[in-house]
Amino acid sequence: SSELTQGPAVSVALGQTVRITCQGDSLRSFYASWYQQKPGQAPLHVMYGKNNRPSGIPDRFSGSSSGNTASLTITGAQAEDEADYYCSSRDSSSLHVIFGGGTKLTVL
Amino acid sequence: QVQLQQWGAGLLKPSETLSLTCAVYGGSFTDFYWNWIRQPPGKGLEWIGEIHHSGSARYNPSLQSRAFISVDTSKNQFSLKLTSVAAADTALYYCARGMLARPRGWFDPWGQGTLVTVSS
Repeated sequence: SSELTQGPAVSVALGQTVRITCQGDSLRSFYASWYQQKPGQAPLHVMYGKNNRPSGIPDRFSGSSSGNTASLTITGAQAEDEADYYCSSRDSSSLHVIFGGGTKLTVL
Repeated sequence: QVQLQQWGAGLLKPSETLSLTCAVYGGSFTDFYWNWIRQPPGKGLEWIGEIHHSGSARYNPSLQSRAFISVDTSKNQFSLKLTSVAAADTALYYCARGMLARPRGWFDPWGQGTLVTVSS
């Protein structure tokens, strides 16, 4: 199917580790990319490929992928990490882009 | 550093045509796919479509009958037209540079967003 499923919300205590997951059949053949969106701002690209951070993204962000599941992990979450996070991938045959529904991260 | 700046009409009546343009400043225009993505108020991201500098385009199947993306390589600009808009098309519309290098891809950077409201 051409859908990506994310949990609606997750919370983490300041300084702790949190994992945000994304599931979908497309992830078996196409890596996810991840985007952070804070209120009133455009999405910011934070992860791509197997575990690649764009320039300027802190190394507390990491990525992984196994089977039909991709994960974005924040190790030592900071208050500024509170945001909505979206995964994206492509259908391997049509190359149409798919977005997950987003996960709201709250840092306690 | 690549920057995307977008503009277009922000208030439309039902049945009118949405028209947005995105200008690309800095970096290559030919190595990437140029995308339009929208976000209804309080909701998630929805891909509209993309175009390569060659003119080859792909569209979200749900919008394919109404969306048209074009590119002007002489100006490093690309545009979106969405016909027969309705209230459900009210959203923040973003342009974004896309990289496609199978089996990976990403969108970076994004434009600032344009709020388009459809109301009678």
